[in-house]
Amino acid sequence: DAKTTQPNSMESNEEEPVHLPCNHSTISGTDYIHWYRQLPSQGPEYVIHGLTSNVNNRMASLAIAEDRKSSTLILHRATLRDAAVYYCILRDGGTDKLIFGTGTRLQVFP
Amino acid sequence: KAGVTQTPRYLIKTRGQQVTLSCSPISGHRSVSWYQQTPGQGLQFLFEYFSETQRNKGNFPGRFSGRQFSNSRSEMNVSTLELGDSALYLCASSQRLAGYLHEQYFGPGTRLTVT
Repeated sequence: DAKTTQPNSMESNEEEPVHLPCNHSTISGTDYIHWYRQLPSQGPEYVIHGLTSNVNNRMASLAIAEDRKSSTLILHRATLRDAAVYYCILRDGGTDKLIFGTGTRLQVFP
Repeated sequence: KAGVTQTPRYLIKTRGQQVTLSCSPISGHRSVSWYQQTPGQGLQFLFEYFSETQRNKGNFPGRFSGRQFSNSRSEMNVSTLELGDSALYLCASSQRLAGYLHEQYFGPGTRLTVT
């Protein structure tokens, strides 16, 4: 199974943009890149996903490198509610299994 | 629309016992996946059910099993509990349309403590 590598933790100030990196150098051509986040005492929550092209939704943007070996989740203006563990996940295109990494704990300061 | 519900929320068992956890997916969702979350191993995929059939299975021993009913509700069972089975067990549901991947919606989890 392909794996993802993320920094253990990151910090941001409120209303500043946040760029959360993820490396997935062994990604295969059919693996989708998903991002989920987990707020304290809650189950993970879907954020965004993509395959090759950059993606935007109301929560975030996903920038995918041309070689697909890395991606970046962009929160355009961090809020205190964005403090969570962010997981970069590969969804195996053949089996649809979600393979979670260790995640990045994002702290947001007022 | 009601979210994914899991029962019970908290459970304490002793080694050697067995346990059954329940998950009710979002109405209309036909896929249910189970995950184990521990501080040491993080989130690990257990298995996925779709239309009462197990579609995928993670790398867990046979003590971990599951099933899905015709109304898409799912149960997972762990037999002969070990201390290392103490974890947060998460259930997630999703729609599954051929050729298009939908996001998964997670429940709040069942916290299992084995003593």
